[in-house]
Amino acid sequence: NAGVMQNPRHLVRRRGQEARLRCSPMKGHSHVYWYRQLPEEGLKFMVYLQKENIIDESGMPKERFSAEFPKEGPSILRIQQVVRGDSAAYFCASSPGSGAETQYFGPGTRLLVL
Amino acid sequence: GQNIDQPTEMTATEGAIVQINCTYQTSGFNGLFWYQQHAGEAPTFLSYNVLDGLEEKGRFSSFLSRSKGYSYLLLKELQMKDSASYLCAALDYNQGGKLIFGQGTELSVKP
Repeated sequence: NAGVMQNPRHLVRRRGQEARLRCSPMKGHSHVYWYRQLPEEGLKFMVYLQKENIIDESGMPKERFSAEFPKEGPSILRIQQVVRGDSAAYFCASSPGSGAETQYFGPGTRLLVL
Repeated sequence: GQNIDQPTEMTATEGAIVQINCTYQTSGFNGLFWYQQHAGEAPTFLSYNVLDGLEEKGRFSSFLSRSKGYSYLLLKELQMKDSASYLCAALDYNQGGKLIFGQGTELSVKP
C-alpha cells in the first residue's frame, strides 16, 4: 500500500518562473493538506482540499499561489512568478476523513529559487 | 490566537529517558499530535492524544492535559537513531482539521 507520493522531490526554478508541485494521497484518502517548511522554521499550514473543493485556504499567500484537487489525478500546488523567498520544502499530507484523523505526510518537494 | 511552544533543542544520552514538553493555545482544539522528522525527510506519525492522560506505545509515550494546554512526549531507552526533530501539532477543527505545528525540538542523542 503506497504512501503519500509527491513529485518532483527537488525542483529548481529561476525567479519569475512557475513551479508545479504534485501530490497523490494514500489509497482511500480523500483529504489533502499542503504545508510549507521554511529553513529553520516549523511546518506552516497552507491549504486543505477535498476532491474538487477547497475547504480552507487560510494559510495561502494571497497572490501567486493556488491549489487544486481535481476529480481525477493528483493535487497540484502552483506557484506563479516564483521569488527567492518561496524556497522551502513543501509537504503534502492526506487523511481518510476530516477532523480527528491522522494526517500522513509525503516525502516533500524541495523548491529552490535561484 | 494560535500558539504552540516547545524547546528548540535538547540533548540526552543513549539509554536514558527524555521528556519533550509542548504547550499550546488554539481555537477549536481537537487533539494533539507528535511527529518525528529526520533531517531532509517527511514527518512520521508517532502519537495522537485527544483525551487527558497517558498513551503508551513501546518506547514512546505521550501525555495530554487539556485544562492546562500541555502535552509531553516521553522517549525511553534512547537510541542513536532517535536523534531527530520532534514536532508537536495541535489539531484545529474549526474548519475541518488543519494542524498547527510548533517549531520542533531538535533532539541529539549522544553515546
